[in-house]
Amino acid sequence: DARVTQTPRHKVTEMGQEVTMRCQPILGHNTVFWYRQTMMQGLELLAYFRNRAPLDDSGMPKDRFSAEMPDATLATLKIQPSEPRDSAVYFCASGFGGVETQYFGPGTRLLVL
Amino acid sequence: DAKTTQPTSMDCAEGRAANLPCNHSTISGNEYVYWYRQIHSQGPQYIIHGLKNNETNEMASLIITEDRKSSTLILPHATLRDTAVYYCIVRVANTGNQFYFGTGTSLTVIP
Repeated sequence: DARVTQTPRHKVTEMGQEVTMRCQPILGHNTVFWYRQTMMQGLELLAYFRNRAPLDDSGMPKDRFSAEMPDATLATLKIQPSEPRDSAVYFCASGFGGVETQYFGPGTRLLVL
Repeated sequence: DAKTTQPTSMDCAEGRAANLPCNHSTISGNEYVYWYRQIHSQGPQYIIHGLKNNETNEMASLIITEDRKSSTLILPHATLRDTAVYYCIVRVANTGNQFYFGTGTSLTVIP
């Protein structure tokens, strides 16, 4: 049963620290999405990649957030420095081709103190 | 992509059909209707999608009106595990572009 995996599942850190979240898309999927979910804003798209190339990162605060795909099996989302307002659940999703179906990972629950 | 309007919340008795409405009056001819759901503390899950014909799969049925300005997701026999937030999304198919998740409908299945 192929699944998207995300690590870590939970992260508590202090303001100013660097946070790195990792995602392993389903093997063979060529599109990867990063979302952030908070109670106030709901589910927001931060960035997405196709064939490892960034297609849209307009939803991401550029000064502190960065997203990369070092290879087809790994996507990373980094926050440096982290701030309390970054506290949220970060989801990764993957799909293939026209991406009619996105498969979501379990999320990383981030708390910045 | 066209905007959708859904009720904020709904209740449904266990074992009964849950009918979740969605309005998408500005939908374009090449836009599909997609439904996802998010069970508490999990990532969203794909349910079904369609263009203009009614669709059915093992999870649900999708009924789209003839003018395509609205649709209804039907869970034929709701169970407690169907308690979730249901998102109706309109999007051009096969573009590989992102889905815009709104606020959805919070469905509570009552024992």
